[in-house]
Amino acid sequence: ETGVTQSPTHLIKTRGQQVTLRCSSQSGHNTVSWYQQALGQGPQFIFQYYREEENGRGNFPPRFSGLQFPNYSSELNVNALELDDSALYLCASSFGTSRREQYFGPGTRLTVT
Amino acid sequence: AQSVAQPEDQVNVAEGNPLTVKCTYSVSGNPYLFWYVQYPNRGLQFLLKYITGDNLVKGSYGFEAEFNKSQTSFHLKKPSALVSDSALYFCAGIMTTDSWGKLQFGAGTQVVVTP
Repeated sequence: ETGVTQSPTHLIKTRGQQVTLRCSSQSGHNTVSWYQQALGQGPQFIFQYYREEENGRGNFPPRFSGLQFPNYSSELNVNALELDDSALYLCASSFGTSRREQYFGPGTRLTVT
Repeated sequence: AQSVAQPEDQVNVAEGNPLTVKCTYSVSGNPYLFWYVQYPNRGLQFLLKYITGDNLVKGSYGFEAEFNKSQTSFHLKKPSALVSDSALYFCAGIMTTDSWGKLQFGAGTQVVVTP
């Protein structure tokens, strides 16, 4: 098991609502990346945070936003939820912004009805 | 576009037989390549990586992978599969044009090891 934790484990939301997912990075890691994994697909990169700043972003709309805190934990916020947002959301932590391996948390399963 | 591909949706192998999971990449220059495994209702577990140097990389749980630049491949291998190796395997890469760690994943290969 990695030291990356995510909460909640599961949640169900209604279309149009807003959701916040949380991630605690592994000790010693200062970078957090978020991925969306739709059923039957590989994870898709949402964005990365390094030292509390967004360091890169994938092809996701602005209603996907995030924060990183001084202790390097992170939040993913999604506004105006759509049915297609139903997925497993994975958080990964690493050290620095170089091409190092990332360690993943167990994920949050979001269902939008 | 730079990408990583896994040509097989599923690989079936008998316990004790060699296991190979295929991965190819499309990028100019040398990417950084990774293999991850995902068990049901779990996050991804890191198995191994290729950065530079020796083309044969050894990782966790007896897995290894061979980087082949001429064939643009990075196949995952295990000499003798176990039933417990049954899981979803992902190949991923960080492309040379990315100065930061954006992992690009393949679609995944389901491995089924039968007793």
